[in-house]
Amino acid sequence: KAGVTQTPRYLIKTRGQQVTLSCSPISGHRSVSWYQQTPGQGLQFLFEYFSETQRNKGNFPGRFSGRQFSNSRSEMNVSTLELGDSALYLCASSLTSVYEQYFGPGTRLTVT
Amino acid sequence: GQQVMQIPQYQHVQEGEDFTTYCNSSTTLSNIQWYKQRPGGHPVFLIQLVKSGEVKKQKRLTFQFGEAKKNSSLHITATQTTDVGTYFCAGRYSNYQLIWGAGTKLIIKP
Repeated sequence: KAGVTQTPRYLIKTRGQQVTLSCSPISGHRSVSWYQQTPGQGLQFLFEYFSETQRNKGNFPGRFSGRQFSNSRSEMNVSTLELGDSALYLCASSLTSVYEQYFGPGTRLTVT
Repeated sequence: GQQVMQIPQYQHVQEGEDFTTYCNSSTTLSNIQWYKQRPGGHPVFLIQLVKSGEVKKQKRLTFQFGEAKKNSSLHITATQTTDVGTYFCAGRYSNYQLIWGAGTKLIIKP
């Protein structure tokens, strides 16, 4: 069974631009969560989607948004990028919200 | 609010020594999960504990869930270089929210 895939793997953007990251979960998994990871801050939860509905949201500004499609694939969008948005963005999928999560390799975003 | 405290932030050990990381929640958890992230990698699921007082073992790793389902620990016996990485706990609450600890970085001293 294929694992969680994330595209792109690396991205360089300029301050003020917007970016869209994509995540394809493991086949059959309906829950997708997104995390931001920086060296000093650990894993910060962004949001969780289940069956196209946002179930939980972390403490991030409205510039961070996401969605989930009917095939469980998910995208997250960051608008008006700031230097502090430079991080590794991880996507994780699980069968449903109560099960363990399987992480993708992440997208490393650099904002200059 | 819901919060999971994990300590210590770092632990330096000589190869062969033991390692322990602890997680505490102020409120009762539905379950707790443990993950390991190797340097440059992504978190990988290790185990999930559900029952009060549960103890599970995976080779040299022992996981415990407290009687009140508010705390948990991971103990590694006789560490090896392959154990290097950051260990995270993640507590699941009754509202499905999964709250992550800050992680404990295991460093093996040369």
